[in-house]
Formats: sequence, structure tokens, C-alpha cells
Amino acid sequence: GQQLNQSPQSMFIQEGEDVSMNCTSSSIFNTWLWYKQEPGEGPVLLIALYKAGELTSNGRLTAQFGITRKDSFLNISASIPSDVGIYFCAGQGNDMRFGAGTRLTVKP
Amino acid sequence: DAGVTQSPTHLIKTRGQQVTLRCSPKSGHDTVSWYQQALGQGPQFIFQYYEEEERQRGNFPDRFSGHQFPNYSSELNVNALLLGDSALYLCASSYELVRTDTQYFGPGTRLTVL
Repeated sequence: GQQLNQSPQSMFIQEGEDVSMNCTSSSIFNTWLWYKQEPGEGPVLLIALYKAGELTSNGRLTAQFGITRKDSFLNISASIPSDVGIYFCAGQGNDMRFGAGTRLTVKP
Repeated sequence: DAGVTQSPTHLIKTRGQQVTLRCSPKSGHDTVSWYQQALGQGPQFIFQYYEEEERQRGNFPDRFSGHQFPNYSSELNVNALLLGDSALYLCASSYELVRTDTQYFGPGTRLTVL
């Protein structure tokens, strides 16, 4: 089963709003990753984090690697309709573990 | 430059049958990982191949086996199919065993077991 606890499970927001989602684990990871998956596609890497405390941005996306190495969050600012999709966190230790995903719906 | 390709796109099998899924990695990549993604869940790691050998394995039974060919392409075989094997099977490729953080995913094969 899933090793990572990702929340929220789903979000319905208005275009222009900011979004925040997070992921926690009982295990320590060396790398945290955030992916986006759209229908009929495989996950696409958005942001990779390699160091505890690291804060990294990719356009309107910002992610942080928690100090304890057991958590991470992803923020999306000023959401647009094309942000719709499922966002997954993943932690990499000996192998890669994924959260169950946050399904984001953006209403124009 | 072609990305990761998988075949077939969709597949329907019955319980007890065997299935083979195929993956061609992105050009320049030599490592292939396979994942199972059940409906409404995140991908679960099955195993990883590098230099034609299985290097890591997740918590999947021996019914799941694989192979990597000299051209780095890979196959996933599942024997004695169960209803619970119905899922999207994703292949991901990366360059060098240690760089799976930069892996690229294919679009997946949707397997339905009846």
C-alpha cells in the first residue's frame, strides 16, 4: 500500500486562487519529488528537492523539503485552468514511494 | 526525440492468463523501472532493470517478472492474472541507475483482468 500520506485528496478552487498540498511519511527520504499526471499520460516531474529545508520554485510552483526529511509541501500560486490534474508527491530512499495524489479542479 | 513508449495501450485478459507489456526507454537512457498504478492511487514500484539485470524489487509476488534487452528496452510479464492485477502499468526510464529522480514516465498500458 501507499507509504506516504498526501492531503488533501481533492481540491476544487476558483481560477486565480492559491493551492497548497502536502505529504508526510513515517520514513526519512533523501529526495522528495512532485509530479503532475493528466488523463492518458504518465506522471511528469514538476520539482525535485534534494536537501532538508530546501525551498525550490518552478514558475508558479514552489515546493519545500521538510527539515525532518519526513514531509514536503507544494504550493501553486494564481491557479489557471491548465493546472487541472492529479499531483503526486514521491519520496526516494532505497526505492521510490508515491502518495495517493491530490486531484485539482480549477473553475474558470 | 521520442520519449518513453509503451505497448500496447490497452489490454483485456481473463483470470489465469499471462500478459507481456513492453517499454522502450527515452533515447540515451539505460535504466528502466516499472510501476503499477491502481485506480485512484499513486504508482507502486514493481522493479528496476539496469544492464539487463533486475537491480531492485518492490513488494510484488514472483508472478511479476521482467527482462531488459541489450538495446535497453524492457518487458514486464505477469503470470496467473488476478482481478486485482487490473491497473495502469507505467514504465519509466532514466540515465544511470542512481538518477531515477530524473526519470521520465511513459503513458502506460491499461490492463483489465476479467
